[in-house]
Amino acid sequence: AQKITQTQPGMFVQEKEAVTLDCTYDTSDPSYGLFWYKQPSSGEMIFLIYQGSYDQQNATEGRYSLNFQKARKSANLVISASQLGDSAMYFCAMRGNAGGTSYGKLTFGQGTILTVHP
Amino acid sequence: GAGVSQTPSNKVTEKGKYVELRCDPISGHTALYWYRQSLGQGPEFLIYFQGTGAADDSGLPNDRFFAVRPEGSVSTLKIQRTERGDSAVYLCASSRDRFEGYTFGSGTRLTVV
Repeated sequence: AQKITQTQPGMFVQEKEAVTLDCTYDTSDPSYGLFWYKQPSSGEMIFLIYQGSYDQQNATEGRYSLNFQKARKSANLVISASQLGDSAMYFCAMRGNAGGTSYGKLTFGQGTILTVHP
Repeated sequence: GAGVSQTPSNKVTEKGKYVELRCDPISGHTALYWYRQSLGQGPEFLIYFQGTGAADDSGLPNDRFFAVRPEGSVSTLKIQRTERGDSAVYLCASSRDRFEGYTFGSGTRLTVV
C-alpha cells in the first residue's frame, strides 16, 4: 500500500519569498512517480511537477522545483518568488509505475493550504 | 475537447435517489479515472478505466456505486440509493495512458439532503 503524508495543514509566505511544502511517502513499489498538484478555490486540480523514482536529477518546472530525497522518502515542493496567485491548496501524490495494486492510480496526501501575503 | 468536461457541475439530490455523473475526457485519452474528494481532504481513488474496461475498481466504496465507459470515451458514474455520506466533489481525470500525467476536470459537487 502507498501512503502520502503532508504534515503542514497551512503555510504562510510573503509575496516574492520562497516557500517549501513538505511531503513524505511510503511505498513498497520498486518504481514510482511523485506528483504535485495545485487546487485553487475553483476546485480544478492543476498539475505542477513530476519526479520519477529513478530520475537522477530533481525536477524543475519554472518557479517550481521538487526536492527529492529518496533515502528519506521525501518529495518537498519548493516555490520560488511566490505570487498572490499561488494561494491555493497543494497536494502531493504518488503512483506506482511498475505493476502491483498501485499501478496507474494516484494516492493523494491531505494537502497544505498556502496563503501568500502581499 | 480541450479539457476534461464534467456535468453537472453541481447536483443536489434527496437521500435514497439515484444519480448519474458524467465525464467527457480529452479526445484520444484512453485512461480515465474517477476520484472522490470530501471537504478538506485529498482526492480518493474510486475506479480506473483503460479503454472500455474497468482496470481497477478497488476504490468503489460499496455496490451502490457503479461506473461505465461503453465506447471508451465518455464515462458515467452511477450512485444508487444515495446517502448523506456520499456528499462530496467527484473528480474525473484522463490521460493518454497510465504513465502520462493526468488532466482533471472541474468536478461535480454532489450534495445529498
